[in-house]
Parts: sequence; structure tokens; C-alpha cells
Amino acid sequence: ILNVEQSPQSLHVQEGDSTNFTCSFPSSNFYALHWYRWETAKSPEALFVMTLNGDEKKKGRISATLNTKEGYSYLYIKGSQPEDSATYLCARIMDSNYQLIWGAGTKLIIKP
Amino acid sequence: DGGITQSPKYLFRKEGQNVTLSCEQNLNHDAMYWYRQDPGQGLRLIYYSQIVNDFQKGDIAEGYSVSREKKESFPLTVTSAQKNPTAFYLCASRGRIDSNQPQHFGDGTRLSIL
Repeated sequence: ILNVEQSPQSLHVQEGDSTNFTCSFPSSNFYALHWYRWETAKSPEALFVMTLNGDEKKKGRISATLNTKEGYSYLYIKGSQPEDSATYLCARIMDSNYQLIWGAGTKLIIKP
Repeated sequence: DGGITQSPKYLFRKEGQNVTLSCEQNLNHDAMYWYRQDPGQGLRLIYYSQIVNDFQKGDIAEGYSVSREKKESFPLTVTSAQKNPTAFYLCASRGRIDSNQPQHFGDGTRLSIL
């Protein structure tokens, strides 16, 4: 197993502030990177599927970038709202077996 | 609406007992997965299936078994050989195993030891 690391493990952010966190992964045999949001008492839901080096994707106030050469992806949240409180998971897919290797997640708590 | 249904939401296992977790999807997905989540760790793959009547071991398959007799259904049995079964179990599906589509998840089953 080639590890996927997410940092920080948890994050408290004031409502209205912007924030970002990191997903690091081995850059060899890269196929795709997924970001998911997992709210308490719900199932994880997909945010982004990223495949190309330099990819930037946006969904409302949330955006993500991808650097496959150095092995990292950033997730940005602009103007955090209470509904953004969740655990954000990233998962890397290798081109050899198409399995998702998951990070442990970043738990984001928005303080009103 | 299309989705994945897991049941039960909570399950308790006695010593020496096998228990089965249900996962049903109506998304017409070929690929289905079972994951285990423990506190502070990423999701770990138990078993996956690319197509009906086929399944493969994931990273932590020992003590678990699965079947895929129908496209819609991928039940997971936690056997008595699994000595530390207390965890949160998530079922997921994807259109095809080699696609760039994201995974869809059920709401999970929390398994505890009595």
C-alpha cells in the first residue's frame, strides 16, 4: 500500500474565513485523485475527480488543484459556512489496479 | 432515487457468531466495494467486485467473505475468524472499476461486539 497523507488532521475555522488543506500522495503510476466530503450521519459524497497535472476544479465556494509531478492536491474553501463542517477525504487511484487508496481525512469545524 | 442501501445501521455480534451486512444498489453499477473504517485511519478495502459472480480480496480480507450473485447486491459476512470486527463498514459502487467516475456510498453499518 502506498500511503496517502492528509493534513492537517483537524481544523477549526471561523465562519467567513477561507481555508485550505492538503492531500499528499506518491506520484508514480498516477491515474486519478478523488475528493469527497463526509458530513456526520451521512454518506461520503464526491466533490471532484482530478486526472491531469495542473487540473483546477471548482464547485461553488470549494475548489481544488492537482500537482501530479510532486504528488499533492490542495482543497480550498472560500468564506467558510457552518454547512462546510465535515470530514474531507482524498483518495488516489493507481493505474495498475484502479483501487482507491484513502487518506485519513481532514476534519473541518466551522465556528460561528 | 438511485442509490445504495446498507442494512442494518447498527449490528451486534456475539463471540463465535457470523453476521452478514447487506448492501443493495439500484445505480446499475458494475463495480462494488466494501470498506472498513477505524478511528484515525483512512478507509481500508476489504473486498471488491468488478462484475457479477466475480470478487477479489482487498487489503484486509481475512475474516470476511462476500458474494456477488446479483448485480444489485454485494453482502459482506463477518466471520468468527475476524477477531477485531468492531468498526464502521461502508459499501460503495462505481460504474466500472477502471472508470474515472467517483464512488457512491451507502450510509454505513456500525458493528460492535456484545
